[in-house]
Amino acid sequence: DQQVKQNSPSLSVQEGRISILNCDYTNSMFDYFLWYKKYPAEGPTFLISISSIKDKNEDGRFTVFLNKSAKHLSLHIVPSQPGDSAVYFCAASARGAGGTSYGKLTFGQGTILTVHP
Amino acid sequence: DAGITQSPRHKVTETGTPVTLRCHQTENHRYMYWYRQDPGHGLRLIHYSYGVKDTDKGEVSDGYSVSRSKTEDFLLTLESATSSQTSVYFCAITIGGGYEQYFGPGTRLTVT
Repeated sequence: DQQVKQNSPSLSVQEGRISILNCDYTNSMFDYFLWYKKYPAEGPTFLISISSIKDKNEDGRFTVFLNKSAKHLSLHIVPSQPGDSAVYFCAASARGAGGTSYGKLTFGQGTILTVHP
Repeated sequence: DAGITQSPRHKVTETGTPVTLRCHQTENHRYMYWYRQDPGHGLRLIHYSYGVKDTDKGEVSDGYSVSRSKTEDFLLTLESATSSQTSVYFCAITIGGGYEQYFGPGTRLTVT
């Protein structure tokens, strides 16, 4: 059962345009969401996150939107740059009944973003 | 840079042999995690640790065991490697009580 899904395996955009990466989840216990970026032969790097008490979080060119009723989040990159070309993973965490989930994350399958000059 | 190293970075081994991967951190973080990354599956949690000698299973723990005898090292062992365990393995830590995990550079394991 895939609790976090990224239904678009790949996305191609032109430099300077907006990139929108989407992610859906099914577990209503998830209360924190994160986006990671991964270059080939490197570990994933943390990009931006959002708590379930918010619906938007912005950091420079990156904005994450959360729609709890639809169990959907998206990452917007504006303007897109060739250096943004990478695999993007969304991830989710649930605190659990005791107030801790030991920080476990559930990841989506990833979306390959290609930004063309 | 969260000060995480993984060794070896690449390994080729034969089916049926035992393999141990090492994750080392230098900053005494309590929580450590092992993931595997496979095409079409993203990253999946194998095992995690919440302290010395405190470990638990993740989503895909069958065929794997872990040990954490000191804070800085988290070892992942494949008791008898199979071709289905060919993957890229990542170690991660969290800092303080945060949700964000920080990853090591990965180990590419090929089981022939």
